[in-house]
Amino acid sequence: AIQLTQSPSSLSASVGDRVTITCRASHDIRRLLAWYQQKPGKAPDLLIYEASILQAGVSSRFGGSGFGTDFTLTISSLQPEDFATYYCQQFKTYPVTFGGGTKVEIK
Amino acid sequence: EVRLVESGGGFLQPGGSVRLACAATGFTFRNYWMHWVRQVPGKGLEWVSRVNTDENGGTYADSVKGRFTVSRDNARNTLYLQMNGLRVEDTAVYYCARNHPKTGDSFDFWGQGTLVIVSS
Repeated sequence: AIQLTQSPSSLSASVGDRVTITCRASHDIRRLLAWYQQKPGKAPDLLIYEASILQAGVSSRFGGSGFGTDFTLTISSLQPEDFATYYCQQFKTYPVTFGGGTKVEIK
Repeated sequence: EVRLVESGGGFLQPGGSVRLACAATGFTFRNYWMHWVRQVPGKGLEWVSRVNTDENGGTYADSVKGRFTVSRDNARNTLYLQMNGLRVEDTAVYYCARNHPKTGDSFDFWGQGTLVIVSS
């Protein structure tokens, strides 16, 4: 199975900060990567698919980039509602797999 | 409005069985592949299973292969997960999720989840 390694596992940031989360795949997954946001007690929400395509209805302060094995999720200006855990997911091969998550906390 | 509502979770003993259901509304259910994803409370996400549109052909994570069976009833707009031979490590919140219509196996809508606890 393809392994996804997210870093950092957690971070503290302030409202208005630019935040970057990385996801590294153990094998080339082309652009077949998605990013999700999950808040406590809730299901994940899709933010980005195919590495950089913003899901309908998602704020443009979220951006994704990358190809092959290295990917990035960027939040351009952190808002109070963005404090959550973020997961990457590859869908190049089965089983689809998720990264371990990055928890974004308030500084 | 797309809505997915899971049911069937509960407290079960090791070796037991349970069938989860996921009722879908707000979209043409029969046109979409559907998935189950689980999450141990406080931990990360694990994909469990996928079913194609035609009510046949499930794909499974190795951790559940041979014990879980995914199915669907397109007439009832409902997805199922039959879970047999339950283990303590199957304890998790189980989410159903819809396959994204524009790309591969990413998940554009999720249910609220149903908690399965396996313990003696």
